[in-house]
Amino acid sequence: GENVEQHPSTLSVQEGDSAVIKCTYSDSASNYFPWYKQELGKGPQLIIDIRSNVGEKKDQRIAVTLNKTAKHFSLHITETQPEDSAVYFCAASRSYIPTFGRGTSLIVHP
Amino acid sequence: SQTIHQWPATLVQPVGSPLSLECTVEGTSNPNLYWYRQAAGRGLQLLFYSVGIGQISSEVPQNLSASRPQDRQFILSSKKLLLSDSGFYLCAWAPPAGSNQPQHFGDGTRLSIL
Repeated sequence: GENVEQHPSTLSVQEGDSAVIKCTYSDSASNYFPWYKQELGKGPQLIIDIRSNVGEKKDQRIAVTLNKTAKHFSLHITETQPEDSAVYFCAASRSYIPTFGRGTSLIVHP
Repeated sequence: SQTIHQWPATLVQPVGSPLSLECTVEGTSNPNLYWYRQAAGRGLQLLFYSVGIGQISSEVPQNLSASRPQDRQFILSSKKLLLSDSGFYLCAWAPPAGSNQPQHFGDGTRLSIL
């Protein structure tokens, strides 16, 4: 089955810096890659996703890049703000059952 | 727009007691429905999923069960809770239109077993 590795497990940055979270996947048939943000005590919320026919997607301060050959994809957050502090999950899917990474705790220091 | 509701938000139960967690979705028909557990350490463990009424697939053998009595209702149950059942339980839905659709999560139930 699919295996998704996510790094780092914890990321600490200063407000205004950029943050990058990386994921690798094992199943070359995976073709959908969502990213979720989970705030304390809440459920994960979809923040951006990308499909395999696209190499990059951007939405304001967040962007996702996908390298299908290398089987890795990354989340980029620019100009980080304290409210970006949360746990971020990547996922890879080729069906209606996604495989999630273990999460990255992003801490943005004011 | 679609919404998902989970209740209760928090629950404290003694070991050996029964459990019933409910999840309902509004604003969509025939959604795919999922139950996840999130223990300390953040990972999401898929417990059950359903692609239609009465259709339940189990990912992890355990003392939990799931049922889907109505199209937009998903229930997680146990006859006798164990200490290891403590955790954060999340319900999610996804559009039924084939694969590769985003999941939308509820706000979870924090379950503590004493």
